[in-house]
Amino acid sequence: AQKVTQAQTEISVVEKEDVTLDCVYETRDTTYYLFWYKQPPSGELVFLIRRNSFDEQNEISGRYSWNFQKSTSSFNFTITASQVVDSAVYFCALKDQGAQKLVFGQGTRLTINP
Amino acid sequence: GAVVSQHPSWVICKSGTSVKIECRSLDFQATTMFWYRQFPKQSLMLMATSNEGSKATYEQGVEKDKFLINHASLTLSTLTVTSAHPEDSSFYICSASQGVGGNTIYFGEGSWLTVV
Repeated sequence: AQKVTQAQTEISVVEKEDVTLDCVYETRDTTYYLFWYKQPPSGELVFLIRRNSFDEQNEISGRYSWNFQKSTSSFNFTITASQVVDSAVYFCALKDQGAQKLVFGQGTRLTINP
Repeated sequence: GAVVSQHPSWVICKSGTSVKIECRSLDFQATTMFWYRQFPKQSLMLMATSNEGSKATYEQGVEKDKFLINHASLTLSTLTVTSAHPEDSSFYICSASQGVGGNTIYFGEGSWLTVV
């Protein structure tokens, strides 16, 4: 069965600090996709990244970086030099190759304080 | 890039009435669309998977007669909440998959439904 666990329910840091959001997943498939989405207070889900199971290279996009470790079934997300605008709920999600739907984690509410 | 649009963003309706929410893929054809419901401070709960031209597949516990889903074209899916009650008040959000295997998934802006 598929499962995504985001153990951190809420995180609060001061602006400019680095913060890492954890994501651990479970799946029996060998081919799968992992996603991160940002949900600001307005509600929409903003796509951040998709990573397939065969690509373990870490990804960096500006202040955002992702660390994919198949050995620990983790796909962690780090924000460097956080800003107030980064405040949102962040969801990690999993999709097996043969499945249509995403399985979401419970989300991590990130608050960046000025 | 690909965009999924939802309408309306906000809707208030009277108890007992029905309300329709539209989900459109603006620049790609989406053979599969998904409808989610989200309660405050909770994760997204998948309600149903909608495939163009066929009946939607509902998740366990979701009343298909209450939440009518239609996917009549490759760019439009609709969710109709029938005989709405205050407990149906929630945030509803759709998504559409693109590409081979449907592995690129975009979400709409969401719709806030308040039933009074």
